Amino acid sequence: DAKTTQPPSMDCAEGRAANLPCNHSTISGNEYVYWYRQIHSQGPQYIIHGLKNNETNEMASLIITEDRKSSTLILPHATLRDTAVYYCIVRPQTSGSRLTFGEGTQLTVNP
Amino acid sequence: EPEVTQTPSHQVTQMGQEVILRCVPISNHLYFYWYRQILGQKVEFLVSFYNNEISEKSEIFDDQFSVERPDGSNFTLKIRSTKLEDSAMYFCASLPRAQETQYFGPGTRLLVL
Repeated sequence: DAKTTQPPSMDCAEGRAANLPCNHSTISGNEYVYWYRQIHSQGPQYIIHGLKNNETNEMASLIITEDRKSSTLILPHATLRDTAVYYCIVRPQTSGSRLTFGEGTQLTVNP
Repeated sequence: EPEVTQTPSHQVTQMGQEVILRCVPISNHLYFYWYRQILGQKVEFLVSFYNNEISEKSEIFDDQFSVERPDGSNFTLKIRSTKLEDSAMYFCASLPRAQETQYFGPGTRLLVL
């Protein structure tokens, strides 16, 4: 699986958009970009995933660059409950393969 | 909304004892996983299970570990003889089809004394 690079920590003001970057320069053509988050020691929670088009759901938006070497997760109106570690994971969407977690980004939403 | 459930939420055991961690995946899911997270460290993959057999395992998943789906609903992780370094959060996950996304349970916190 391609390696991802994320900043170790970010801060965001409550109500503002949180933009979390991820670099995945070695991504290959059949690999998707997944985002999960982990609130304290709870189980990782799926947020969103995409291949090359931008995606949006009720939780977030995912912007993938045209060359697919990087992406940004956007939480449009961050709340205190969005404070968590956010993981960007690259994985082929075949054969039920494992998720390989990195260190992620600790997002702290401040009041 | 269906959820993956895990029991117990916490378990304390003595070194050398056997433990069984239990998971009930989401109904009609086909792929099952165990991950662990040692305190302060990354979430690590242990094993995946599909069609009643292990499909992939990591180097962590040695002979002390085994998995089973005994009755079509539960998915268990057994550690035969626990070591201090097995202390961690253990997460179960399930997946409906290969092209979908994995859903995680709340975890079991295992403490080996």
